[in-house]
Amino acid sequence: GQSLEQPSEVTAVEGAIVQINCTYQTSGFYGLSWYQQHDGGAPTFLSYNALDGLEETGRFSSFLSRSDSYGYLLLQELQMKDSASYFCAVRRTGRRALTFGSGTRLQVQP
Amino acid sequence: ETGVTQSPTHLIKTRGQQVTLRCSSQSGHNTVSWYQQALGQGPQFIFQYYREEENGRGNFPPRFSGLQFPNYSSELNVNALELDDSALYLCASSSGGAETNSPLHFGNGTRLTVT
Repeated sequence: GQSLEQPSEVTAVEGAIVQINCTYQTSGFYGLSWYQQHDGGAPTFLSYNALDGLEETGRFSSFLSRSDSYGYLLLQELQMKDSASYFCAVRRTGRRALTFGSGTRLQVQP
Repeated sequence: ETGVTQSPTHLIKTRGQQVTLRCSSQSGHNTVSWYQQALGQGPQFIFQYYREEENGRGNFPPRFSGLQFPNYSSELNVNALELDDSALYLCASSSGGAETNSPLHFGNGTRLTVT
């Protein structure tokens, strides 16, 4: 089987750093992706880790450890516009589907 | 560059009816996939089309069907609607073919309500 576990909600203040964890139970996948979705909007791609380690894109970083079945998204210098839902996702080897976690709702407070 | 567009944005149908949702892929993208997103959940894979053929399907019954056209636009058809079909239906396009790990580009979705 396969499942991705994320915290359902995270709250942080403007300017802070927040880490959203994703643990998974799946064998054989191509990499770990992260998507952001604002209320009423489309999911938008943030990052992709094909290999273990840290990927940095501006204020956002993503990390993958296959040996620990674990990854995270790190958001720095939080802004109000970062309030959204964040989804981790994997595509299992040989499959077409991107399997998403149930998402983490981030609320950034002033 | 035109993004993924979906129509209609909202739709209300009665149980037992049929519905067709439409999607125009992002320019240059040859693969389209459809996802169902229930409130408070992550998107669930319905199926994927590449070169006008379905080449991957999630755990959805046959009453969910689709088409991809030569211009890479796509339709999702749902027959015999059930109350549980109420959800946001997302279309996503990507480049690189059926096996690609390219990022998905999503449309804003069609909010379907079945009464």
